[in-house]
Parts: sequence; structure tokens; C-alpha cells
Amino acid sequence: EAAVTQSPRNKVAVTGGKVTLSCNQTNNHNNMYWYRQDTGHGLRLIHYSYGAGSTEKGDIPDGYKASRPSQENFSLILELATPSQTSVYFCASGDRLGDAEQFFGPGTRLTVL
Amino acid sequence: QQKVQQSPESLIVPEGAMTSLNCTFSDSASQYFAWYRQHSGKAPKALMSIFSNGEKEEGRFTIHLNKASLHFSLHIRDSQPSDSALYLCAVSMGYQNFYFGKGTSLTVIP
Repeated sequence: EAAVTQSPRNKVAVTGGKVTLSCNQTNNHNNMYWYRQDTGHGLRLIHYSYGAGSTEKGDIPDGYKASRPSQENFSLILELATPSQTSVYFCASGDRLGDAEQFFGPGTRLTVL
Repeated sequence: QQKVQQSPESLIVPEGAMTSLNCTFSDSASQYFAWYRQHSGKAPKALMSIFSNGEKEEGRFTIHLNKASLHFSLHIRDSQPSDSALYLCAVSMGYQNFYFGKGTSLTVIP
């Protein structure tokens, strides 16, 4: 089965600090995604990527940057973390081939104090 | 921007019942429709997907799509306590930008 891992799994950050969330996939999928999940909002897309070197803005990109240095790795960067960015973040990978299923990582719980 | 809405927000059914979950979307150009299931504290996991109008059945699960009415649904036959989870519908137009609904919380009582 497809494998997506995230690190760290839990993170406490201070307001104004820099936070980097990492994602690695071994599926050789072209597309990767970063979502946040909040009660009452469901899953919301922050950034996505078509392949190494590419990043695209999703629905809520403000305050976030993304980096895709390789096929396997996709990072989400919060340059100046704010309490409103406290959330659970999920990374996913997928491909338009087949049934376009997305495979999700286990999530990172981020708390910004 | 695509709007995806799910109903009901929550649902409690007895074991063995038929469960029906609904999802509406706003963009008629949408091409990909899927249901994901998320157990508490876990990652979402794909259940089923469909690309064209009609029905698709896999085991106890059936997905039905009606593009003209901008609606698709998930039906669970013989619901089990292990089916208790948050169900998320997802819609995409180009397989790049996916829109998820807020979810339906399903509880199946033994």
C-alpha cells in the first residue's frame, strides 16, 4: 500500500516563530497536497504540487509557503506562526492515473501559543 | 470557487440499518467524485470514487452520482459499529485541486 509519512507528529510553536512541516511519500506520485483540518471547516487545501520544483496555491495559502525539492518530499513552511494556524495538518499524495485516489499521511498536530 | 456541502452533519443508526449520506457540489464541470472515511484521530482514507453518472457498488458500499442535479451520495448496507467515523466527500475538476465537504459524523449503535 501507498505510504505517506509526516514529521513531526506533534509540534508546539511560539507566535512569530518559524515552523516547517515535512512530508515524504514512497508512492512515486506526481501530485502532493497540504491540507489543514479544523472543526466546522473540514479539510481545506493550502498548497499543492505537480512534481519536483513546482508549488501551487490552494484555497487558503496566506501565511504558508511550500517547497517540493524532490518527487518524494513536500514541505509546508510557516514563516511567522500565529495562533490561528493551530490545527491538524495532513499531507497527501496522488496521481491522475487510475481512480485519482489521494493517500494521506497520519497528520501533524500543531499548536501555536 | 467550488462549494461542497454535506448532509446530514451527524447521523446515528442501529446496527444493520441502511445509511445514506449526501453531498452537493456547485460546479457542473466537476469530473471526480469520491468518499473518504476518517476514524477518530486517524487520517482520511479513500472509500470509493466515481467519474460518470450512475451507480458503483463495492461490497456494502454504493456510490450514486447525478451530475445534472449536482448531487452524489454514499449508501452503506448493513451498517456496522466499525463504520462509525467521519465521512468526507471530495470533488475535483482537474485532479489537481480537490474540494472536501465538512463531513458527516456517523455513529452505528450495536
